[in-house]
Amino acid sequence: KNEVEQSPQNLTAQEGEFITINCSYSVGISALHWLQQHPGGGIVSLFMLSSGKKKHGRLIATINIQEKHSSLHITASHPRDSAVYICAVVRGPSAGNQFYFGTGTSLTVIP
Amino acid sequence: EAGVAQSPRYKIIEKRQSVAFWCNPISGHATLYWYQQILGQGPKLLIQFQNNGVVDDSQLPKDRFSAERLKGVDSTLKIQPAKLEDSAVYLCASSRSTLGGHLYEQYFGPGTRLTVT
Repeated sequence: KNEVEQSPQNLTAQEGEFITINCSYSVGISALHWLQQHPGGGIVSLFMLSSGKKKHGRLIATINIQEKHSSLHITASHPRDSAVYICAVVRGPSAGNQFYFGTGTSLTVIP
Repeated sequence: EAGVAQSPRYKIIEKRQSVAFWCNPISGHATLYWYQQILGQGPKLLIQFQNNGVVDDSQLPKDRFSAERLKGVDSTLKIQPAKLEDSAVYLCASSRSTLGGHLYEQYFGPGTRLTVT
């Protein structure tokens, strides 16, 4: 069983739709990252969260520490949002600061 | 601000050969990470440096993989000898110092795509 589970694995949306990608984890963490990976391999860090909610442009990330769950929302989706979105969690110093990555959600936004 | 630089971008080698990858992090970033990403999977952390010291190398296959960051700036990752299953994208990332916990975002390089035949 993976320490980090993402859903859905694949997602196709029409341009303009509101999109939600979910991440659940089973270990105690010090932080959670949302990453965006475009075809060709380039990875961009979107958010780093340890509590609450963050917003950047059309992207919103939330985390519920008690429920061990985070969501990434994209409002007014656009074809350029098509990418793989990866959730990664970081355990605290007492657990060696280990990283665990989800396998990603592949998003395709159709014009 | 210049991003994380990696070279080469692509490498094709035969099994049992050796290969080395280079990474230059963002200036001032004390923490450097090497990841392995096999096609269809999420990245796997191989090694994390804080300046020139190793913070975590628990998932580094030490019988064939080695990495160094001698002066606390750029880093090299070496595979010797390579196996077919080492075919992957090797990503380097950097962040500000993570002393006290991972509270800083990571910036990723473009990656090196390794094919072992």
